[in-house]
Amino acid sequence: AQRVTQPEKLLSVFKGAPVELKCNYSYSGSPELFWYVQYSRQRLQLLLRHISRESIKGFTADLNKGETSFHLKKPFAQEEDSAMYYCALSSGSARQLTFGSGTQLTVLP
Amino acid sequence: DAGVIQSPRHEVTEMGQEVTLRCKPISGHNSLFWYRQTMMRGLELLIYFNNNVPIDDSGMPEDRFSAKMPNASFSTLKIQPSEPRDSAVYFCASGTSGIVGELFFGEGSRLTVL
Repeated sequence: AQRVTQPEKLLSVFKGAPVELKCNYSYSGSPELFWYVQYSRQRLQLLLRHISRESIKGFTADLNKGETSFHLKKPFAQEEDSAMYYCALSSGSARQLTFGSGTQLTVLP
Repeated sequence: DAGVIQSPRHEVTEMGQEVTLRCKPISGHNSLFWYRQTMMRGLELLIYFNNNVPIDDSGMPEDRFSAKMPNASFSTLKIQPSEPRDSAVYFCASGTSGIVGELFFGEGSRLTVL
């Protein structure tokens, strides 16, 4: 069975500080990992996917298969980054996403 | 495109009543998902349709929950009878089965069962 764990329900950092949102997964095959974000009063939306190896809004995430982690990082947090972040996993054969329980990030001024 | 459309946005009902949530996916998408969001459990997948056919309903809590997709542009999630523990935000999302992981979510239906 696949499982996604986000150990922090709440995370607060000051503006300009680095931020790391943790995500660990368990899956026996080759997973595809994603980060979704939900800003206040907006829809849940895809932020980035590990396959693309892209930086979106200054955020990056590296898949570490040895540690089964996919942490989301940004070197300098901004107040507009305050949102709920979900890590998600898709197995090779299934098309549905398994989400973690989410981390509410608050960037303080 | 207006995106995934869900109705109602808010529903308050009494225990024992029937609740029907509706979803219109994005035109051209062939996968549809129903998720439930709670503070304690986060986002849980309830059921997943591909080409209008239910593929995985293992997340449906119990027989009180049922979902249908009679055509490519409409799906319903029904709870009968409703219970206070069903209170949550229910999200519908659609996607293309050829593109893994990219789901487009609706705004959600916030259900409160008194």
